[in-house]
Amino acid sequence: DVVMTQSPLSLPVTLGQPASISCRSSQGLVYSDGNTYLNWFQQRPGQSPRRLIYKVSNRDSGVPDRFSGSGSGTDFTLKISRVEAEDVGVYYCMQGTYWPRTFGQGTKVEIK
Amino acid sequence: QVQLQESGPGLVKPSQTLSLTCAVSGGSISSGGYSWNWIRQPPGKGLEWIGYIYHTGSTYYNPSLKSRVTMSIDTSENQFSLRLNSVTAADTAVYYCARDVRSFDIWGQGTMVTVSS
Repeated sequence: DVVMTQSPLSLPVTLGQPASISCRSSQGLVYSDGNTYLNWFQQRPGQSPRRLIYKVSNRDSGVPDRFSGSGSGTDFTLKISRVEAEDVGVYYCMQGTYWPRTFGQGTKVEIK
Repeated sequence: QVQLQESGPGLVKPSQTLSLTCAVSGGSISSGGYSWNWIRQPPGKGLEWIGYIYHTGSTYYNPSLKSRVTMSIDTSENQFSLRLNSVTAADTAVYYCARDVRSFDIWGQGTMVTVSS
């Protein structure tokens, strides 16, 4: 199985400041079609996960542009340019290249 | 807009079988290109993928759960189901159904299942 490793696991952030979450995969995530299926999800307290980013850097509809994804190979990053109160929650990376699908451990973002 | 809705008992006794159904609305479960998945999340913990089923009935299960999992699909009712047998307290979790197209783009709201006598 592909192991997804996130860091940090806890991220206290000041409102209006940037935040960055790292995700590393145990093997490359380029699929045979040339795409890299690395996704990011946000899970607010008490809610289902919601996809924010797919294929490394594509934002889902309705996702604020303060969220951005980048990376390649085995190293990926989710950035929030200016954290807002509604961004509190747990963020997961997930690879969709291989079965079984695997998630990172999650990064808890909280306001200082 | 496709929506997913899980349903099933919230309490299951140890050693018994957990059974859940995911109803798909706003679209056909027979649409090609998607797999229909179950994912679970124990209280306070991360996400674990359980398995998928295609509209053809083809399945693939997480090897860690494979011996206890069965998934089925009912295209006439536009729903798919999960059965997990011989449950223990470790199976207590919120169970989600989700649509996959190399990414879980649509999720249900989740249903809490507690394993307890």
